[in-house]
Amino acid sequence: DIQMTQSPSSVSASVGDRVTITCRASQGISSWLAWYQQKPGKAPKLLMYAASSLQSGVPSRFSGSGSGTDFTLTISSLQPEDFATYYCQQANSFPYTFGQGTKLEIK
Amino acid sequence: QVQLQESGPGLMKPSETLSLTCTVSGDSISGYYWSWIRQPPGKGLEWIGYIYYSGSTDYNPSLRSRVTISVDMSKNQFSLRLSSVTAADTAVYYCARVFCSGGTCYSKLWYFDLWGRGTLVTVSS
Repeated sequence: DIQMTQSPSSVSASVGDRVTITCRASQGISSWLAWYQQKPGKAPKLLMYAASSLQSGVPSRFSGSGSGTDFTLTISSLQPEDFATYYCQQANSFPYTFGQGTKLEIK
Repeated sequence: QVQLQESGPGLMKPSETLSLTCTVSGDSISGYYWSWIRQPPGKGLEWIGYIYYSGSTDYNPSLRSRVTISVDMSKNQFSLRLSSVTAADTAVYYCARVFCSGGTCYSKLWYFDLWGRGTLVTVSS
């Protein structure tokens, strides 16, 4: 299985800050990577796919980049509703695997 | 508006067989791939397997010996069965729609764009 490792595990930031979360794959996955946002008690929400494609309806302050083994999710200007846990997922091969999550907390 | 809703028992005993159903409303189940994904309390996400409306399936090798996913087109539902459950199977179980386009569907380069609200299954004696 491809292992997905996110860093940091948690991060504190303020409204208006720029935040970057990193995801590393244990082997190359081209650009077959997604990012999800999950709020407490809710299902994950697809934010980005194919590493840098914004899912319909997702604000443009979210952006993604990377290919191969290293990927980033950037939120350009944090809004109150962005405080949540973020997961990456590789879509390159079965079984699909997710990172352990990065919790974004209010400073 | 397409919605997914999981249903099934919330509490089970070790060695029992878990059965969950996902009801799709607002669209037909046909033409899509569907998956089950689970999340132990306070932990990350684990992909369980998928089914195509035609009935083709594949499963996570870590669970393959215990998992069956099936579809009922007449009810617009698909289901999960997980046998011989233990406390390690305690989790929120989500059903989800696969997101892909064109060649990425055939190549199984899949993401998940629509999720149910999830149902907590607790395994305890």
